[in-house]
Formats: sequence, structure tokens, C-alpha cells
Amino acid sequence: ETGVTQTPRHLVMGMTNKKSLKCEQHLGHNAMYWYKQSAKKPLELMFVYSLEERVENNSVPSRFSPECPNSSHLFLHLHTLQPEDSALYLCASSQDWGQSTDTQYFGPGTRLTVL
Amino acid sequence: KNEVEQSPQNLTAQEGEFITINCSYSVGISALHWLQQHPGGGIVSLFMLSSGKKKHGRLIATINIQEKHSSLHITASHPRDSAVYICAVRGTGNQFYFGTGTSLTVIP
Repeated sequence: ETGVTQTPRHLVMGMTNKKSLKCEQHLGHNAMYWYKQSAKKPLELMFVYSLEERVENNSVPSRFSPECPNSSHLFLHLHTLQPEDSALYLCASSQDWGQSTDTQYFGPGTRLTVL
Repeated sequence: KNEVEQSPQNLTAQEGEFITINCSYSVGISALHWLQQHPGGGIVSLFMLSSGKKKHGRLIATINIQEKHSSLHITASHPRDSAVYICAVRGTGNQFYFGTGTSLTVIP
């Protein structure tokens, strides 16, 4: 148990659906992250929130929309996705953003399949 | 070309063998991380290094900043060590770069 939970663990959706991924951390951390992991490719950092403000947005298509209502919760809203968006979406948190010594704690991920 | 390169991509070992996984990077870094990902997706941070060497149980991680190279060693490997090991670096501008991972299988 890493203190970071993600729901749902698996999601299958059509290209016209709207769905949301949820991440919750119980560690009292100030920074939260969304990553995308596709088969045979390195982890891709999508978004970073620090103290509920977005500090990183790595050229992610607008069909992915993050939301951080408070420092414990992070959402990824999905709309009009493409089959190539099928991947494992991982959430992580760390004590702070910008500290090189911070360790990130990862959730179990949501396995997303877009039909 | 990826900023972080790992080798080998796949590794099969007999239980008890000494294992080495290598990571080379091409950017200036403030820290290097070794991560472990088990089937099912969950990722655990094993080590964070900015210099020298760290040891935790049967795992040893080393880094050579001048050569931009790190190694992860597993002594007396066990089937439960079977996982994907990912090298990640934090650049001096707070960017994160990840290797594609080394898939390790330890056979009883």
C-alpha cells in the first residue's frame, strides 16, 4: 500500500465517451502527477500540480483535462479519445515540487482501453 | 534518441545469480531514480541517487556523474525480483526523463 489510490483500475471506453480518472493520496503531499505509460515506450509525464496549481503541461492534447480540487485529489477528465490513447495512466505524489531529493509515490494505475 | 538509455532491455537469470542493469543518460541531472514495476502496473521507488552508492538489502545502486552512468545490482536474485526496472532522471530544469525499462525474469 503506497498511500496513493486510483480508480477505476480498468476502463474501456468508446471514442465518443466522456470519463474521468481519479487519484487520491493520503500522504499529506503537496505535488501530484499524471503519467502515461504506453507499451514499449518510456513513461511520459503529462501534468504536474503543486499546491493545487498546474505547474507542468507537457504538450498534452486537449482531450485530456486535469483537475486538482485540493492537494489530496487529482482527476483526469477524458473526452473524445483516440485508440492510440490506450495505455496505463499512473498517478504519483511527492512531498513538494521542485525539490530534487523528493521521492515520488505511485498509484497502481488505470488501464485504459479506447475502442 | 531517448535521453535515458537502459540495457539490457530483457534479462533472464537463474535464482541466486548476481544481476546488473545499466542506465546511461545524456542530460545534466539533479537526481537519478531507480523504479520497480511489477505486473499489474504499480511502481515503487527503490533508490534516489545524486552521487556515490546506496544499498538496501540485496539491492545496490551506484552512479558516476562524470560518466553519466548508473547501475542497479541485485545480489542473490530471487523469483520475486522479477519485474520491470526503470531508470529515471530529474534534469536540472525539473524535467523528468525515463528509460524504457529492463524486464527481469528470475527463474527458480
